[in-house]
Amino acid sequence: KNQVEQSPQSLIILEGKNCTLQCNYTVSPFSNLRWYKQDTGRGPVSLTIMTFSENTKSNGRYTATLDADTKQSSLHITASQLSDSASYICVVSRHNNAGNMLTFGGGTRLMVKP
Amino acid sequence: DGGITQSPKYLFRKEGQNVTLSCEQNLNHDAMYWYRQDPGQGLRLIYYSQIVNDFQKGDIAEGYSVSREKKESFPLTVTSAQKNPTAFYLCASSGALGVKLFFGSGTQLSVL
Repeated sequence: KNQVEQSPQSLIILEGKNCTLQCNYTVSPFSNLRWYKQDTGRGPVSLTIMTFSENTKSNGRYTATLDADTKQSSLHITASQLSDSASYICVVSRHNNAGNMLTFGGGTRLMVKP
Repeated sequence: DGGITQSPKYLFRKEGQNVTLSCEQNLNHDAMYWYRQDPGQGLRLIYYSQIVNDFQKGDIAEGYSVSREKKESFPLTVTSAQKNPTAFYLCASSGALGVKLFFGSGTQLSVL
């Protein structure tokens, strides 16, 4: 079964600290892995997209890693800011005749406190 | 929100009523999607359309209907057959390769 599991479900950190969010998947065949940021009551916004051959990709203070062998990804946030408070969603894509089919993780809810 | 407009932001449905959620995009994208988001769960695909006048059922299509008469528009109707409609509904679109997905700002549907 194609699944994406994220951990932790929620996380509270102090402003300025770093944190790492985890994503494990069983989706096959793998096409790409995406991380999205979703503010409360808003639509998700893309942070990174990684294909099989990429094992790290950065977007400002966000750095995503991918280990396609172990089917794990992480999202590292450096020097957190209050505006980082949001849900972070891991999405894994597989390709079939219908195109790119996406499986969404349940998200990690991050709260950054002053 | 990447040129995708959803309306209304909040919607209330009475029992037995059909309601329609609007989704318009000006990105010239061929593919459009409707997702349902419940608290603590991953987004689930309701319907998708890869081209005008064609659409496909997703994983949870029962109780929903869509149309794609124009490239820019992909409205979702939540019918009375959907017994648990309370959720956050997200519309999305993607270009030809379907790699990057752009989302609207969502519609929160609640039952009165």
